[in-house]
Amino acid sequence: GDSVTQMEGPVTLSEEACLTINCTYTATGYPSLFWYVQYPGEGLQLLLKATKADDKGSNKGFEATYRKETTSFHLEKGSVQVSDSAVYFCASLNDYKLSFGAGTTVTVRA
Amino acid sequence: IAGITQAPTSQILAAGRRMTLRCTQDMRHNAMYWYRQDLGLGLRLIHYSNTAGTTGKGEVPDGYSVSRANTDDFPLTLASAVPSQTSVYFCASSGDSGASTDTQYFGPGTRLTVL
Repeated sequence: GDSVTQMEGPVTLSEEACLTINCTYTATGYPSLFWYVQYPGEGLQLLLKATKADDKGSNKGFEATYRKETTSFHLEKGSVQVSDSAVYFCASLNDYKLSFGAGTTVTVRA
Repeated sequence: IAGITQAPTSQILAAGRRMTLRCTQDMRHNAMYWYRQDLGLGLRLIHYSNTAGTTGKGEVPDGYSVSRANTDDFPLTLASAVPSQTSVYFCASSGDSGASTDTQYFGPGTRLTVL
């Protein structure tokens, strides 16, 4: 079945540092790819998505590009803020079924 | 209301008891899902429903049942709870365009503890 592997955390950064969270997937066919974010004590929110190869999803300064050749969807942000502290989940969607990575906890210190 | 609501927010339950987690969406989405979230494992699909009247098994269905009598509601039942079902449960829905790759939107979650 489909699966997603993402960089293990936790990740601790200083404010204004660059963030990269690696994500790779295995899937049959061509899944849609997502990053979800979970802030402390809350549910999952969609951060960004890409539905086909070479698409770039972006939101709140975060970006990720669907790379079919490397089966990757790495999340990047050039300058993080304390408010970006959260758990980030990479996911692939194929035929209604969403497969999640284990999640990466990011803590940004002032 | 707007979006997905879940009830209760949290619950402590004795092992062996029956429990139903409620989920309601007001977006007229066709598909609905139940996931459990466990540390280090991400979210795993328990059951899903592509449309009212149909349900299917996900990755970890044992010990859980669902029904989909109408578009809006998708309750999850634990017939006889066990401690390994201690988890945070998320309901989700999708289906604005009817495509099987529509974005899934999540409810706020139910934290369940089985003692």
